[in-house]
Amino acid sequence: DSGVTQTPKHLITATGQRVTLRCSPRSGDLSVYWYQQSLDQGLQFLIQYYNGEERAKGNILERFSAQQFPDLHSELNLSSLELGDSALYFCASSAGTSGGNYNEQFFGPGTRLTVL
Amino acid sequence: AQSVTQLGSHVSVSEGALVLLRCNYSSSVPPYLFWYVQYPNQGLQLLLKYTTGATLVKGINGFEAEFKKSETSFHLTKPSAHMSDAAEYFCAVSDKGTGGFKTIFGAGTRLFVKA
Repeated sequence: DSGVTQTPKHLITATGQRVTLRCSPRSGDLSVYWYQQSLDQGLQFLIQYYNGEERAKGNILERFSAQQFPDLHSELNLSSLELGDSALYFCASSAGTSGGNYNEQFFGPGTRLTVL
Repeated sequence: AQSVTQLGSHVSVSEGALVLLRCNYSSSVPPYLFWYVQYPNQGLQLLLKYTTGATLVKGINGFEAEFKKSETSFHLTKPSAHMSDAAEYFCAVSDKGTGGFKTIFGAGTRLFVKA
């Protein structure tokens, strides 16, 4: 158990819909990262937040957005869903005292999103 | 721009044989390098990391990796494979770019262990 929790574990929805994925980092970790894992794209870094502020951005679509709340949990919002958005979405956290992610990242179990 | 190349999407070894998973990276600044393992239906777990100092890094479950700057490589090895090592392995590089620290993962190598 990494200490990172993600809900829900599975999510099935239809094209055009909007969903919210939730992540609670390990106790004390300030940085949260979101990743998308699919068979054709592999593991893609989406975005990083550090203590409530966006710190780094990867291959995140404009239809996707994220935020980190004062209690440090994070949410990833996916809108206007397409079939190709079906994937595993991982959240990871690290202590990242300086905001840098060279620290070890602890991954949650993931949310499997299926868009029908 | 940083990148990671893992040679071989699938590697198959016999139980007790040497495991060698290859990783080459590119980075414009001194990188931080990682190996993660992903077991079925689970998230990624850190095996080992190189940040600074000794170039031979030992990790969990008997794995180790050597940072070779001249070869821009960070290959993962284990002297003797166990059935429980069957999983997917990801090499990752992290460095500080204009947008802050970013971690790029390789495409992954699935390790099969034959009895």
